[in-house]
Amino acid sequence: ELKVEQNPLFLSMQEGKNYTIYCNYSTTSDRLYWYRQDPGKSLESLFVLLSNGAVKQEGRLMASLDTKARLSTLHITAAVHDLSATYFCAFTETSGSRLTFGEGTQLTVNP
Amino acid sequence: GAGVSQSPSNKVTEKGKDVELRCDPISGHTALYWYRQRLGQGLEFLIYFQGNSAPDKSGLPSDRFSAERTGESVSTLTIQRTQQEDSAVYLCASSLMFRTQYFGPGTRLLVL
Repeated sequence: ELKVEQNPLFLSMQEGKNYTIYCNYSTTSDRLYWYRQDPGKSLESLFVLLSNGAVKQEGRLMASLDTKARLSTLHITAAVHDLSATYFCAFTETSGSRLTFGEGTQLTVNP
Repeated sequence: GAGVSQSPSNKVTEKGKDVELRCDPISGHTALYWYRQRLGQGLEFLIYFQGNSAPDKSGLPSDRFSAERTGESVSTLTIQRTQQEDSAVYLCASSLMFRTQYFGPGTRLLVL
């Protein structure tokens, strides 16, 4: 069964702090995605990670991929309120196309 | 248009009625996907179209659900004899083959 597990599911943090969201997936994948969803809105693509050891950074967010461990992380540095949202990881199977999503991590950054 | 568009944005219907949801993908995107998101949950895959290939319908939850796509453009998702458990946000996404999927704003369906 294709499965993606994210943790934590809920994260409340203070501005200025660092934290990491973890995403474990169950089968061989050639692409790992991170999406952001604001309340009542659609999904916004943040990162796509294509190979083992891939690391991508955008502002205060950095995503990495370890295909051997089937693990991706989303690291938040010096959080600000604007980062409050739900973050989803998702993967496609090797040579596949449909996305399998995690449950999402609801992040709240408090002033 | 610049992005994926969906209509209607909201739909309230009575149990047992049929509904049709529409998706306009990004121009030139050969792949089109439908997903469902129940309240507070992640997205569930429903169906996938790629060019002229047979669609991947493996995610459709029952035979009440069907979808069509005209060429490489508009798609409609039809739910027949709606049930309360069909209430969800239905999201459409499009992409170039095997590339990042871009999502539309969704249709919020409420079955009373």
